[in-house]
Amino acid sequence: SYVLTQPPSVSVAPGKTARITCGGNNIGSKSVHWYQQKPGQAPVLVIYYDSDRPSGIPERFSGSNSGNTATLTISRVEAGDEADYYCQVWDSSSDYVVFGGGTKLTVL
Amino acid sequence: QVTLRESGPALVKPTQTLTLTCTFSGFSLSTSGMCVSWIRQPPGKALEWLARIDWDDDKYYSTSLKTRLTISKDTSKNQVVLTMTNMDPVDTATYYCARAQLGPNDAFDIWGQGTMVTVSS
Repeated sequence: SYVLTQPPSVSVAPGKTARITCGGNNIGSKSVHWYQQKPGQAPVLVIYYDSDRPSGIPERFSGSNSGNTATLTISRVEAGDEADYYCQVWDSSSDYVVFGGGTKLTVL
Repeated sequence: QVTLRESGPALVKPTQTLTLTCTFSGFSLSTSGMCVSWIRQPPGKALEWLARIDWDDDKYYSTSLKTRLTISKDTSKNQVVLTMTNMDPVDTATYYCARAQLGPNDAFDIWGQGTMVTVSS
């Protein structure tokens, strides 16, 4: 089955840029979606189809996807961005939704 | 406004069958492309996709849980029901339902708030 690999944690100072990666075999050929989950809350979609932002999501959130790595980039990080972030794809070969293991973003 | 809300027992005993209901509003599961999935999250762990039902009543299941899961829909009631048999303490988790609008490759744009299920004797 298809596997998505995320770093368990990323730390960044306020105002700096955070990059959270999501690795998978030829993930660049798939559509990647990203979710933000704060403690005790349901996940919220922050990036869909690699780089599109839902309405209401700040422009500081962006995404890219190429080769074997997709990346969620958060610019000018704020304390309120501290959360767990999950990447997700649909594996068409098995008709299976796959989530990455999640990355805890800590704002120093 | 689109909303989804999960409901079901907070506590089940080992070997029992869990039945969860996702009641939604603001969209129709008869609309082409619309899908509703169930996703769970054990305490402190990652999200895990369980099952999906599509607008045309096609159903898809997690390979590892396929033998224990059944998903169904009642379009007239705007509900999707998930049953999971032979519950075990490792199934203790928050269970979410979520919507995708444009088929299985689409993102889950709206999630329910989740319902916590504990499996214990």
